Amino acid sequence: EAGVAQSPRYKIIEKRQSVAFWCNPISGHATLYWYQQILGQGPKLLIQFQNNGVVDDSQLPKDRFSAERLKGVDSTLKIQPAKLEDSAVYLCASSKLIVTSNEQFFGPGTRLTVL
Amino acid sequence: DQQVKQNSPSLSVQEGRISILNCDYTNSMFDYFLWYKKYPAEGPTFLISISSIKDKNEDGRFTVFLNKSAKHLSLHIVPSQPGDSAVYFCAALTGGGADGLTFGKGTHLIIQP
Repeated sequence: EAGVAQSPRYKIIEKRQSVAFWCNPISGHATLYWYQQILGQGPKLLIQFQNNGVVDDSQLPKDRFSAERLKGVDSTLKIQPAKLEDSAVYLCASSKLIVTSNEQFFGPGTRLTVL
Repeated sequence: DQQVKQNSPSLSVQEGRISILNCDYTNSMFDYFLWYKKYPAEGPTFLISISSIKDKNEDGRFTVFLNKSAKHLSLHIVPSQPGDSAVYFCAALTGGGADGLTFGKGTHLIIQP
């Protein structure tokens, strides 16, 4: 079974530029998550999709961050414009269902550096 | 406000001995807890979980203990092996997982030969 795919793996941009990340979840997984992991911290949930609908985006900085999952499969996360504090690893995860025993499968992440 | 706390940033253990990683939480609505393991440049991988209706769950060398009254859980690894060297994250969620996972800051476990 193929895992969660993410691209690019690394990205360096200057502040105020735009950047987009792509995620392809495990086949058949209805739920998709985007997490932000700042150095020295644990991952923090940004947004959660169930199929192509948003379940939770309460921690997404909506003035600069946006995400979509148009066909209920792959997803993109965009930052526009980027700030220095957006430097982090952006992790995508997927799971089969929203159930109590939720095991989420993570991709390798995209490491973003904002200069 | 850290709802899941891992107060030890790092832990060094000799190969063959027991590794004990601790985690505390403040949100009494959490009812499912998971441990994830992370190697550098990789995403976290699921290790073991426990429901709040249990106080222990075992899987091979890994055992998780939950003390609900103290809002504390621990991960025991016996015996510790060099491949166990990684960052371990404690995570929690509420019923239905609607909020996604809430992670601690992680503990870097180093297994010394």
